Amino acid sequence: QSALTQPASVSGSPGQSITISCTGTSSDVGAYKYVSWYQQRPGKAPKLLIFEVSYRPPGVSNRFSGSKSGNTASLTISGLQAEDEADYYCSSYTTINTLVVFGGGTKLTVL
Amino acid sequence: EVPLAESGGGLVKPGGSLRLSCAASGFTFADAWMTWVRQAPGKGLEWVGHITSKTDGETTYYAAPVKGRFTISRDDSKNTLYLQMNSLKIEDTALYYCSKGYCSGSDCHWDDAFDVWGQGTMVTVSS
Repeated sequence: QSALTQPASVSGSPGQSITISCTGTSSDVGAYKYVSWYQQRPGKAPKLLIFEVSYRPPGVSNRFSGSKSGNTASLTISGLQAEDEADYYCSSYTTINTLVVFGGGTKLTVL
Repeated sequence: EVPLAESGGGLVKPGGSLRLSCAASGFTFADAWMTWVRQAPGKGLEWVGHITSKTDGETTYYAAPVKGRFTISRDDSKNTLYLQMNSLKIEDTALYYCSKGYCSGSDCHWDDAFDVWGQGTMVTVSS
């Protein structure tokens, strides 16, 4: 099972908004509403930001938002802050060879 | 108090075995569906497998690369999750995380969203 496709890197300046895409297929992202997003800072465990495409767990800033269209999900971070610099991963339920598939990860640089 | 703490990682030769443990605290472990996720050095996250609660049958499910070689189990009396890894390959080298499925009231995403993670334990397979 190939990983979901994410851009290797994105960047933005403080205060700006950025969007990270996560492209899958009709067997994963396109088939289910179960897309999640995680933030991973260097040397740390991942942190759940978004579940079920667009819902935030308690305590996660509303600067993080998620959406989905067809086989592509997106994470938008608004009002970019220096502390947002991290790796971001999407994941989706899938029907092929495994239960959950992750994206390859996107490194966010805050300029 | 750390909610999830993995242990048992180390250096093992190809073909060898290793058992990882994940001690849980601060939540009702017996109700939780638990998942193992790994991360090879400098690489992305990879789902390894999960186990449902005893109430839900203690069912296990594995990713294709580890199916038949890895076994996930749990001991609810000890609040501990296990990952038995046999016939290890060089490509199994990774940081192994245990994680808990997200559940808030009646809104549970036990197997598709993971809100509590351990710090990981490193497994190195090398001759």
